Amino acid sequence: SQQGEEDPQALSIQEGENATMNCSYKTSINNLQWYRQNSGRGLVHLILIRSNEREKHSGRLRVTLDTSKKSSSLLITASRAADTASYFCATDGNSGYALNFGKGTSLLVTP
Amino acid sequence: AAGVIQSPRHLIKEKRETATLKCYPIPRHDTVYWYQQGPGQDPQFLISFYEKMQSDKGSIPDRFSAQQFSDYHSELNMSSLELGDSALYFCASSSGGLSGNTIYFGEGSWLTVV
Repeated sequence: SQQGEEDPQALSIQEGENATMNCSYKTSINNLQWYRQNSGRGLVHLILIRSNEREKHSGRLRVTLDTSKKSSSLLITASRAADTASYFCATDGNSGYALNFGKGTSLLVTP
Repeated sequence: AAGVIQSPRHLIKEKRETATLKCYPIPRHDTVYWYQQGPGQDPQFLISFYEKMQSDKGSIPDRFSAQQFSDYHSELNMSSLELGDSALYFCASSSGGLSGNTIYFGEGSWLTVV
């Protein structure tokens, strides 16, 4: 089974609202990464958070990591229609050479 | 900045045929990863290479093989293609594996098996 599981699977909000996506994983990690994917396109790296970090910001993105609960959240503030995409969390495998993706959250931002 | 380059972008093959996908990592990246993403699915890790040696293996079928060459580019060879192999195949690269490093993905190669 996949390392990460996203919640919710789908999210629909209006422009200007905040979007929060959650990710849970099963085994210990060195770091967790969030990616964005527009339909049929490549995966775009958003942010990497290391296991010894609790929170990280990048522009309108805020990522938190709780290793005790094996969970992470991605917050997109003041969302825009252009944020419409699928968002995946991914964790590194035991070997350090395999990134394991969760199921993804499909975000729809309507004008 | 240079990104991960994949070719071809689109490929149509018939069942039982063979296909080869190529990946050119970001310059000075020594690690390459291959992923398969079926329609509506999350990316599945297939295989990775570090310094031209296989570093990890995921759910790669025995019909598939891959290698990393001396110039760090990689090729994924798929034989005896099945309809279920139709997917978007991603290559990604990083410098020195995943430990604290970001990996960057290419735009993917669409394989359709008919």
